[in-house]
Order: sequence, then structure tokens, then C-alpha cells
Amino acid sequence: AQRVTQPEKLLSVFKGAPVELKCNYSYSGSPELFWYVQYSRQRLQLLLRHISRESIKGFTADLNKGETSFHLKKPFAQEEDSAMYYCASLMFSGGYNKLIFGAGTRLAVHP
Amino acid sequence: KAGVTQTPRYLIKTRGQQVTLSCSPISGHRSVSWYQQTPGQGLQFLFEYFSETQRNKGNFPGRFSGRQFSNSRSEMNVSTLELGDSALYLCASSLVSGSTYNEQFFGPGTRLTVL
Repeated sequence: AQRVTQPEKLLSVFKGAPVELKCNYSYSGSPELFWYVQYSRQRLQLLLRHISRESIKGFTADLNKGETSFHLKKPFAQEEDSAMYYCASLMFSGGYNKLIFGAGTRLAVHP
Repeated sequence: KAGVTQTPRYLIKTRGQQVTLSCSPISGHRSVSWYQQTPGQGLQFLFEYFSETQRNKGNFPGRFSGRQFSNSRSEMNVSTLELGDSALYLCASSLVSGSTYNEQFFGPGTRLTVL
């Protein structure tokens, strides 16, 4: 079965430190992967998707097919980055696509 | 455009009861997906509706059901509630255009507490 694994429940860093949120997926084909973010008291929202190859709020994520990973990175963390981050993979099932989410990683950026 | 709305926002029920949650998608969006969010499991896919038809289903027992109306609004029903059903239930809507994936826009969720 297709799975998305986020090994860390909590990642705690200081402001200005580099951040790497880990995500591994299991999928034999060409995956389509996403990072979603949920700030405190806000809705879950799309942060970035790998096919866009863009940087959003300083975050980037590179798909590594060899390691089946899609880690989210930011060189210098800011306090406003504190949030819950979910990695997700698009799964083709029953003729249609559905999103499979990881368990999430809480990022806490301390001043 | 108004975002995805969900009602009610909070709900307290007792074991054995049933509950109905409602989701109104963004105007023009025809696909509605439901997720259960818990601290330990993260987001788990429940089901997706498009044009009043369930297109996809997750691994949840038959106590969880849903439907979609002609105006794309969707309801989710949970019968014979169990303590483990306590969670935040999220609804997401998206445009559908062929086989291309369209971004899902999430609602604020309904917080269900089962006592």
C-alpha cells in the first residue's frame, strides 16, 4: 500500500537555524508529492508541490527518487514558520486520485 | 470567493449516538473530500464525492458514510459513535478538470468530541 512517512513528530529549532522536515514515500511509479501547512488556528493549506519546483516562504523540497524522499528545507527558520507540516502523496485508486497524508511534524521555532 | 465552510464547528456527543456534519464547498468546486484528523494518525482520507457520486473511499468502517447534493454541498454521517471517533473532521473542495490533480482547499473543520 502507498504510504507517506514523517519520522519526526516534533522538530524544535532556534530562529535562524536551518530546518529540514523529513518525508519518505513508498510508491513504485512516478509520485506526485506535496507539503501542506497548518498554522495555529488557521486552515490546512498547500505550501508547495514538487512539480512546481518553486520556493514558497523560503521553503524548498526536492524529490529524491533514489531515496524515495521529499524533505522540506529552509536555510534560516523564522518564528512565524512554527506550524504543523504534512507531507502528502497523490495516489491513483479506483480510477481517481486521492491524497495520502503523513502523520505530520510540528515545527517549533524558538526566539 | 468565500472559502469552504463547515457546520457545526464544535459538537459533543455520547457513545452510541449518530452525528451529521455539513460541508459547503467553494462556489464552482464540484469535488468534496473528507478527512479525519487526529494527533496520532494525522489526516486520514475518508471519502470523496463528485457529482453526487462517491468516487473514492478510505479504510473506515461502514459507520462512516456521506453524500453529496446537486449543489455540491456534502454531508458526512457517523452512526453508533465510539470514543475513538473523537477527532477534527476536515472537508476539502477542488475543481475537477480531467485527470489533472487540482489543489484541495480545506475548511476549518468540525471538532467532534465523543463522551
